[in-house]
Amino acid sequence: DGGITQSPKYLFRKEGQNVTLSCEQNLNHDAMYWYRQDPGQGLRLIYYSQIVNDFQKGDIAEGYSVSREKKESFPLTVTSAQKNPTAFYLCASSIRGLGTGAAKNIQYFGAGTRLSVL
Amino acid sequence: AQSVTQLDSHVSVSEGTPVLLRCNYSSSYSPSLFWYVQHPNKGLQLLLKYTSAATLVKGINGFEAEFKKSETSFHLTKPSAHMSDAAEYFCVVSDTSGTYKYIFGTGTRLKVLA
Repeated sequence: DGGITQSPKYLFRKEGQNVTLSCEQNLNHDAMYWYRQDPGQGLRLIYYSQIVNDFQKGDIAEGYSVSREKKESFPLTVTSAQKNPTAFYLCASSIRGLGTGAAKNIQYFGAGTRLSVL
Repeated sequence: AQSVTQLDSHVSVSEGTPVLLRCNYSSSYSPSLFWYVQHPNKGLQLLLKYTSAATLVKGINGFEAEFKKSETSFHLTKPSAHMSDAAEYFCVVSDTSGTYKYIFGTGTRLKVLA
């Protein structure tokens, strides 16, 4: 069954702690994305990666870090520098990366991780 | 710059009555437009997409949307609401100026009354 798997579903962060959210896809998609969702707001782009070993900052990258060592995996670390991390985090992927045409850029989403601060 | 505005943050309809969720966009280029649905604590599911082909787009679960360039609108409709349609709906414009980044509306929460 092809799809995007995010884990864990719920995560709690203590003061000063870094936490890592997992995102794995078996769709053979080149591009992957991380979004943050806050109540009453649309999704905001944190980071994206169009190819292995390469990634770019989105609109709200401060306090976050990512890696893309494998095509299937794009983990997001919420660092202690992110002072307001409580949110719903969504991972997405698309066949090709940005700039390659709208049809190939349709994004498919995982089920999300809800992060709260203890 | 491209933007998208969802005109209603909440919409309530009775089961079996029509659904209308409104979306207006701003774009300097020929846009690609999408509607996604999100059920509580779930990811987003693509309902339908407009990528410069037919202006009336049919999607899953009986939803459809019409691209109206003169009105810069892409409203989502369904003839008859079902209880399972209760969810949050997002209108998205894809930046066709080169990056194809997604720009999200703030969402419309649809409530279906029995």
